[in-house]
Amino acid sequence: AQSVTQPDIHITVSEGASLELRCNYSYGATPYLFWYVQSPGQGLQLLLKYFSGDTLVQGIKGFEAEFKRSQSSFNLRKPSVHWSDAAEYFCAVGVSGGYNKLIFGAGTRLAVHP
Amino acid sequence: EAGVAQSPRYKIIEKRQSVAFWCNPISGHATLYWYQQILGQGPKLLIQFQNNGVVDDSQLPKDRFSAERLKGVDSTLKIQPAKLEDSAVYLCASSTGTGGYGYTFGSGTRLTVV
Repeated sequence: AQSVTQPDIHITVSEGASLELRCNYSYGATPYLFWYVQSPGQGLQLLLKYFSGDTLVQGIKGFEAEFKRSQSSFNLRKPSVHWSDAAEYFCAVGVSGGYNKLIFGAGTRLAVHP
Repeated sequence: EAGVAQSPRYKIIEKRQSVAFWCNPISGHATLYWYQQILGQGPKLLIQFQNNGVVDDSQLPKDRFSAERLKGVDSTLKIQPAKLEDSAVYLCASSTGTGGYGYTFGSGTRLTVV
């Protein structure tokens, strides 16, 4: 069955430091992969997505993610974190054949220290 | 373009009472989704509509939850009777239904059952 694992529940970084959020997926076919961000009281906003092609994907707000098939991973990175990046981040896998159903991980809550 | 509208934003009810949530998707979006997001977990798909037909309701607790999408536009999700474990944020999303997973999420309804 398809699943997504985000090993880190909480991460705290200092402003200006680099960030990497981990995501591992389980899916039989070539996956469609996504990262979403959720600020308090807000809906989910798409940061970036991977369908095929270049395994390094650029997204909004300076985020990027790298798809590694051999490791079943799709880790999210940012070279320099801003205080406004504090939020919850969700990795998701798209299930084809069912009108674009998404399966989400449990999320990683990011705190940013000044 | 206008986003996905949801109401109410917050609702507090006692267990065994009933409650209804409303969602107005982006105009022209054929696919509508209801997700349940329990605190500390990622969103879980409850039901998915394509126009006014149900595509996937495999994770909808049908003994207490019901949903409809009249005329393929607005949708209502109902819980009757509510249980304590139904406390969650209920997210509505819509998409064109074609490839690309172009989801747009609403801000959600936070339900607290006491």
